[in-house]
Amino acid sequence: QSALTQPPSASGSPGQSVTIPCTGTSSDVGGYNYVSWYQQHPGKAPKVMISEVNKRPSGVPDRFSGSKSGNTAFLTVSGLQPEDEADYYCSSYAGRNIYLFGAGTTVTVL
Amino acid sequence: EVQLVESGGGLEKPGGSLRLSCSASGFTLSNAWMNWVRQAPGKGLEWVGLIKSKGDGGTIDYAAPVKGRFTISRDESKNTLYLQMDGLKTEDTAMYYCTKEESGSHPYWGQGTLVTVSS
Repeated sequence: QSALTQPPSASGSPGQSVTIPCTGTSSDVGGYNYVSWYQQHPGKAPKVMISEVNKRPSGVPDRFSGSKSGNTAFLTVSGLQPEDEADYYCSSYAGRNIYLFGAGTTVTVL
Repeated sequence: EVQLVESGGGLEKPGGSLRLSCSASGFTLSNAWMNWVRQAPGKGLEWVGLIKSKGDGGTIDYAAPVKGRFTISRDESKNTLYLQMDGLKTEDTAMYYCTKEESGSHPYWGQGTLVTVSS
């Protein structure tokens, strides 16, 4: 049960786009469409931004989008805004009632 | 409105025990898939375990690092989820969150309760 792989950091200027990859295996990310993404600001509980690979919950801005190709899922934040500066975590179902999280990516808005 | 409120965290010595509670409101706990997720200080999120709804058999499963030491349960009369933590290790130090799962994601989180394991 290894954690999913994410880059430790990503950055972009306001208005630009940033894409965060989340790499797993055929037993987790590649095998199920239960990939979700979470935003966490310092001292706060995580907030779901994307569920089931590409579904955006009510209230999440449409500049957040999700996709998947093979064993890698992606979170794209388009039109970066200062409030998007946060930690982002991916999560995937891994079969046999097990879930995995990624190590997290810190997004900096330059 | 779904609300989750954790309690029971604190300082405990290695080898000790703690029981965390997660009081749920706005839904019936036994009808939901509930999870525990933890976050060590300055680190990422780590899934701890889940309990399925009563209708889905109430299956309980755990992450490898806590299997055999932690026990998830619920009290339907109190609409409360529990995490019994025995044989605590220093590496169990973390903020512990309970979450309500829907379609493989965690849209509802509590505010967390901090567990510190130290001699």
